[in-house]
Amino acid sequence: EPEVTQTPSHQVTQMGQEVILRCVPISNHLYFYWYRQILGQKVEFLVSFYNNEISEKSEIFDDQFSVERPDGSNFTLKIRSTKLEDSAMYFCASSAGLAQETQYFGPGTRLLVL
Amino acid sequence: EDQVTQSPEALRLQEGESSSLNCSYTVSGLRGLFWYRQDPGKGPEFLFTLYSAGEEKEKERLKATLTKKESFLHITAPKPEDSATYLCAVHVGSARQLTFGSGTQLTVLP
Repeated sequence: EPEVTQTPSHQVTQMGQEVILRCVPISNHLYFYWYRQILGQKVEFLVSFYNNEISEKSEIFDDQFSVERPDGSNFTLKIRSTKLEDSAMYFCASSAGLAQETQYFGPGTRLLVL
Repeated sequence: EDQVTQSPEALRLQEGESSSLNCSYTVSGLRGLFWYRQDPGKGPEFLFTLYSAGEEKEKERLKATLTKKESFLHITAPKPEDSATYLCAVHVGSARQLTFGSGTQLTVLP
C-alpha cells in the first residue's frame, strides 16, 4: 500500500541553525502539506502546496519557513533559523486532489532545538 | 472562529466494553469530517471521511456517524490494540487545510 515517507525520523539542532525536513508523498498525489504537533498539543496546519506553489499557509508559517518540491518525488520543509519553540513533530501529508480530499500522513520527524 | 472539540479527553475501557467518542464542531461550511488514529510518536492514520449529515462508515470494530453538529466514533467490543489517540479533523469552506481537535486518548484494558 502506498505511503508517505519522511526523513530523518529525528533531528537535533542548535538554535539558529537551518534544518531541512524531507518527505516523499504518495506518487500520484497532487496536493502536499506540512503540519506540526508540539508535544501534548493539537496537530496544526502549516502550509499546503499544489502545482509547484503554496496554496495556503497559516500564521505559523512565517518568513523563517519555506517549502520546495525540488524534483518529481521529494517535498521539503526548510526552517532557516530555528528557535526553541520550533521543537515539535513535523508531519508531511498528501492528498490525491480533485474530489479526493483525504490526506494521508507520514510518520513524522521529531525536531528538537537546543 | 472554526472550532473542533473532542470529548472525553481520555477514556479507559475494559476489553469488550463498547463506547463512543464525540467530536463536535462549530464551523461555517463543513466540507468533510475526518477521523484519524494516532499511536504515540507516530503520524495520524486515516480511518474515515464523512461528508454529509446522516452518513455512516464502518471498519472492523469502528463506526463513524455524522450529524449537522457532531460526529461520533463508536467502538464495539474494543481490544487492547485499539488503544490510541483518536483525532477528529474538518475541512471548511474552500480551504484544503485540516483543522484538528485535541483528540481522545483511548486505553483498552485486557
